[in-house]
Amino acid sequence: NAGVTQTPKFQVLKTGQSMTLQCAQDMNHNSMYWYRQDPGMGLRLIYYSASEGTTDKGEVPNGYNVSRLNKREFSLRLESAAPSQTSVYFCASNLDRFYNEQFFGPGTRLTVL
Amino acid sequence: DAKTTQPTSMDCAEGRAANLPCNHSTISGNEYVYWYRQIHSQGPQYIIHGLKNNETNEMASLIITEDRKSSTLILPHATLRDTAVYYCIVRVPANTGNQFYFGTGTSLTVIP
Repeated sequence: NAGVTQTPKFQVLKTGQSMTLQCAQDMNHNSMYWYRQDPGMGLRLIYYSASEGTTDKGEVPNGYNVSRLNKREFSLRLESAAPSQTSVYFCASNLDRFYNEQFFGPGTRLTVL
Repeated sequence: DAKTTQPTSMDCAEGRAANLPCNHSTISGNEYVYWYRQIHSQGPQYIIHGLKNNETNEMASLIITEDRKSSTLILPHATLRDTAVYYCIVRVPANTGNQFYFGTGTSLTVIP
């Protein structure tokens, strides 16, 4: 099993550009999450999907949209990137929304100039 | 929201026990305490969790005070590979699932 995979690993955008971060898991998990981590800070939840077909806002959802494409894939879209969105983005999944352990991907390092 | 307070950094000698404290004085009765660690900007890794009782697994032990206002993560025999940022997290139940609120964590350095 590859676990949780994220693409791309690195990305540089100009202000105003758009992009989609991809996340996939092969563990047959129902719940998936997107976090951001700013330098020297802990992770903050952006959006999550408790199950296929549902999405909900987390702590810092502004400026982002998500799509739970199917059970395996959960994408995060920046419609008009801003320098404040420079961060490392982590995707995570777990068996269901009440299951204890979340499994994290390796992260996407995004820089917005 | 229940939040946690941890020391910014700690050192521990290799082979000794590492004791990482966490304060969560506003924790509610149904909120669990979780510990994750993050090694060198990789994705966080689950360590252990608990509600009221002390817990132990192959990685660590979790000691929760009787009033549940604080806890301690114990790595019994720290190795250099345990150098990481350790996050103490209170899981906040929500109608659609659980949300984890990560703080800034404790940067643990294991010294040879």
